[in-house]
Amino acid sequence: DTAVSQTPKYLVTQMGNDKSIKCEQNLGHDTMYWYKQDSKKFLKIMFSYNNKELIINETVPNRFSPKSPDKAHLNLHINSLELGDSAVYFCASSLGQEGTEAFFGQGTRLTVV
Amino acid sequence: GENVEQHPSTLSVQEGDSAVIKCTYSDSASNYFPWYKQELGKGPQLIIDIRSNVGEKKDQRIAVTLNKTAKHFSLHITETQPEDSAVYFCAAFLGSQGNLIFGKGTKLSVKP
Repeated sequence: DTAVSQTPKYLVTQMGNDKSIKCEQNLGHDTMYWYKQDSKKFLKIMFSYNNKELIINETVPNRFSPKSPDKAHLNLHINSLELGDSAVYFCASSLGQEGTEAFFGQGTRLTVV
Repeated sequence: GENVEQHPSTLSVQEGDSAVIKCTYSDSASNYFPWYKQELGKGPQLIIDIRSNVGEKKDQRIAVTLNKTAKHFSLHITETQPEDSAVYFCAAFLGSQGNLIFGKGTKLSVKP
């Protein structure tokens, strides 16, 4: 069984479109994250949710809106996509907010053309 | 906030040799230091971690050392194999920020 699953794996879309990436974890974790990995492989936190509540919102444009309908799901909606949004987006989860292992999904490669 | 520096950015070794990747962190309050391996087309996967109350931890061919005074931690891989080829990330967890700060990664290539 996949612990952290995100869909789709690949997403190609035009500038200006709105798209969503879904994430689900079956580990019973309380905390979920979205990370962005750029072309140089740099991993940067975007959002962190704990029990459906937003904990961290790094300097991310407000075109990015996370939504957590329950603690097993954290979806990422992106409005008015720009070329610079092209990257691999990773969902992750961990047991709690303290330092514990983060489990990552397989990533969603977003390409904006 | 926390800042994590990782070196080298690329590392090429011969099969059977050892590989060492080093990281430094800036905030002395950081208390958890994991290492992740990312294979092509996959998400990062934890390979070993260490907490601030421990100086060294070993798991078969991999080991991590932590020097809290110098704010350094290192990953050591012995008897490298071609399947060790991947990008390795160090990270530091700072409770006040509540998230992992990653280094920029090291691309390790193990030549058969």
